[in-house]
Amino acid sequence: EIVLTQSPGTLSLSPGERATLSCRASQSIRDRYLAWYQQRRGQAPRLLIYDFSTRAAGIPDRFSGSGSGTDFTLTISRLEPEDFAVYYCLQYDSLPQTFGQGTKVEIK
Amino acid sequence: EAQLVESGGGVVRPGGSLRLSCEASGFSFDDHGMSWFRQGPGKGLEWVSGINLIGDTRYADSVKGRFIISRDNAKKSLYLQMNSLRAEDTALYYCTRGGHFTSWYPGVWGRGTTVTVSS
Repeated sequence: EIVLTQSPGTLSLSPGERATLSCRASQSIRDRYLAWYQQRRGQAPRLLIYDFSTRAAGIPDRFSGSGSGTDFTLTISRLEPEDFAVYYCLQYDSLPQTFGQGTKVEIK
Repeated sequence: EAQLVESGGGVVRPGGSLRLSCEASGFSFDDHGMSWFRQGPGKGLEWVSGINLIGDTRYADSVKGRFIISRDNAKKSLYLQMNSLRAEDTALYYCTRGGHFTSWYPGVWGRGTTVTVSS
């Protein structure tokens, strides 16, 4: 099973600032099979990024994904009020699909 | 717009059974693999089971032998039969489009249905 470790656990930032979220895999993820999700309180996860860097339909371009191998990053270039939420990375390279434990982006 | 609506959750005693349903709309159901994920109270997300277009299935080790995933393309519905339920199965269960096997991410999520296993 591939273990994903996200850091930091909590990110305290102000609107307009840049957020950089990390996701590290216990083994190399081939074929770019890594996704990022946003989960607001009381809501289902929402797909942001798939295939490590492709934005899902309707996702603003302030969200971007990068990385390769075992180290991946989600960057939010300028935080909007609606971006304060929990973010999860997911690997779908092998079964079971596994998630990181999440990074909470909170208002400073 | 693609939509998924789960139902069938509830409170059940340890050892009991429950059947979850997921009704799909807004897309061609029989063109997509489907999955169930869950999220325990205050916990992260966990893949539970997936089924592809032709009915091949996969399960997480934690539910293998107890849960059965199935689909009815004519009814555009996905199911999860949950047997021998345990306290650790308590969670919000999400139905998703995709996420069933490797190389398929869960792209569309329902709002979830809550399962509570308690005596």
